[in-house]
Amino acid sequence: QSALTQPRSVSGSPGQSVTISCTGTNSDVGGYNYVSWYQQHPDKAPKLMIYDVTKRPSGVPDRFSGSKSGNTASLTISGLQAEDEADYYCCSYAGSYTVVFGGGTKLTVL
Amino acid sequence: EVQVVQSGAEVKKPGESLKISCKGSGYSFTNYWIGWVRQMPGKGLEWMGIIYPGDSDTRYSPSFQGQVTISADKSISTAYLQWSSLKASDTAIYFCARVCSNSYNCFDPWGQGTLVTVSS
Repeated sequence: QSALTQPRSVSGSPGQSVTISCTGTNSDVGGYNYVSWYQQHPDKAPKLMIYDVTKRPSGVPDRFSGSKSGNTASLTISGLQAEDEADYYCCSYAGSYTVVFGGGTKLTVL
Repeated sequence: EVQVVQSGAEVKKPGESLKISCKGSGYSFTNYWIGWVRQMPGKGLEWMGIIYPGDSDTRYSPSFQGQVTISADKSISTAYLQWSSLKASDTAIYFCARVCSNSYNCFDPWGQGTLVTVSS
């Protein structure tokens, strides 16, 4: 059970859009529509931003959106704001009640 | 308000045992899985396992099977993560989180984290 592959870092200017990819296999990302995304600010607990590939929990701005194609899921943040600067982790169901996280992506707002 | 609240930071020596806790409130504790996640210093999130407090059904990541024990006491709405013999490499922040209904990988809300430091 290997970690999902994410870029180590991405960046964008305020107002721009950025996309973070999350690549797995047919046994996790590609096999189920159970991908979630978490935002983690320094020294804070992670926060759920997207679940079931595309769904947003109540309270999460609609600037955050999720998608999936084959074995790769993506998180897109539009209209970047300074407070979006954080680490982002993807997470996928991997069968047999198990779950795997991505390695994390550091988003820098320039 | 749905929340999970974890026990405080711990400092232990190698070889010692430890049990940290995660108390749920604001919802029916027995009807939702609780998950545990490790974050080593400066590193990413690692899924350790989940427990269903209603019947104590427990599932572990292969990486953590045999290394830790996950349990729950539904009478006090509390889940636990324990070690019988700590190693320096167990130094990390440990998060618990409620698993969303009809899901295994949707975690919300999260506890504040418990810092475990293992040092001689």
